[in-house]
Amino acid sequence: EADIYQTPRYLVIGTGKKITLECSQTMGHDKMYWYQQDPGMELHLIHYSYGVNSTEKGDLSSESTVSRIRTEHFPLTLESARPSHTSQYLCASTGLAQETQYFGPGTRLLVL
Amino acid sequence: SQQGEEDPQALSIQEGENATMNCSYKTSINNLQWYRQNSGRGLVHLILIRSNEREKHSGRLRVTLDTSKKSSSLLITASRAADTASYFCATEPLPGANSKLTFGKGITLSVRP
Repeated sequence: EADIYQTPRYLVIGTGKKITLECSQTMGHDKMYWYQQDPGMELHLIHYSYGVNSTEKGDLSSESTVSRIRTEHFPLTLESARPSHTSQYLCASTGLAQETQYFGPGTRLLVL
Repeated sequence: SQQGEEDPQALSIQEGENATMNCSYKTSINNLQWYRQNSGRGLVHLILIRSNEREKHSGRLRVTLDTSKKSSSLLITASRAADTASYFCATEPLPGANSKLTFGKGITLSVRP
């Protein structure tokens, strides 16, 4: 079982609210990722980080932002949530010398 | 652009039968990985096969890789109801500044008790 955690697991909010999805890992991994996944669909990489103070946008355009102030923590923020942001958000991490990714349990977001 | 594409999209089998899932990709890879996702959960890594390998085993899992056809298959033998999940292949491109895993759409496997 991977030591990577996401909170909250489920979130229902109204349009226009600011939200932060938390992701933490205790494995000392340098690389961390955020994916967006609609039900029954593929994962889309929206943000990644290769270390502290390093963040990059992924393949899928996203209105969210991320920060990496500490190795173990990689929060994702939506300044103004919209119904189009409704999805599952998965956080993952991997070590520098590793090739496989460890995933958190995900956050299911519903924006009304 | 999507790299890995799994086939079939959905598979339903009886407990005890074997399940075969296929993945095709477009560009040269460093390795190919298979992940499992239970409903509403994150992905769990199952097995990794490198571009210079042709076959790997892990328990009831057998993965093959044919780089000439740019395809891979995942075989689950003696399936169990607990194998019911979505299965994703993911490809890692050749090493480079932007080499990141790319996931396919996944295959939904249902194992009937």
